[in-house]
Amino acid sequence: DAKTTQPTSMDCAEGRAANLPCNHSTISGNEYVYWYRQIHSQGPQYIIHGLKNNETNEMASLIITEDRKSSTLILPHATLRDTAVYYCIVRAPNSGYALNFGKGTSLLVTP
Amino acid sequence: SAVISQKPSRDICQRGTSLTIQCQVDSQVTMMFWYRQQPGQSLTLIATANQGSEATYESGFVIDKFPISRPNLTFSTLTVSNMSPEDSSIYLCSVVRDSSTIYFGEGSWLTVV
Repeated sequence: DAKTTQPTSMDCAEGRAANLPCNHSTISGNEYVYWYRQIHSQGPQYIIHGLKNNETNEMASLIITEDRKSSTLILPHATLRDTAVYYCIVRAPNSGYALNFGKGTSLLVTP
Repeated sequence: SAVISQKPSRDICQRGTSLTIQCQVDSQVTMMFWYRQQPGQSLTLIATANQGSEATYESGFVIDKFPISRPNLTFSTLTVSNMSPEDSSIYLCSVVRDSSTIYFGEGSWLTVV
């Protein structure tokens, strides 16, 4: 699976959009971009994934650049409960399940 | 998505004892896995829980230490045997659904004293 690079930490004011970037410059053509988040001491929560088109669900939006070398997860109206570590992972379907979550981005949403 | 329930959610155990963690999924799944997350670390895959056959273990993990059962397509257990403080971790059950998306349970936080 391709390696990803994320900022170590970010802050966001409650009610504002949180934009979390991820670089994956070595992504292969069949690899998807997945985002998870983990609140302290809980299991990772799936957020969204995409291949090359932008995706949106009830939790977030995923914007993937045209060259697919980077992406941005957008939480449109961040709340205090969105404070968590956010992980960007790149993997191909059925490519194995030894996931490398890396360090992720620690997002702090402030009142 | 998937609803994955784990029991216990957390426990404090004496070294040398064993603990069995249960994982229940809201509907049948083919692929089920167990991960470990040590403090401050990323997830590590322990094994694939195979229904009707022995689990498939990753390098560094053995059946004697982490026996796994998978009696049907909605349930699995992981036992952490002869525990030591190094086994203090979050243990996570996960399943694959929706074209290869991996979903995780809430985790079982184990502290060995």
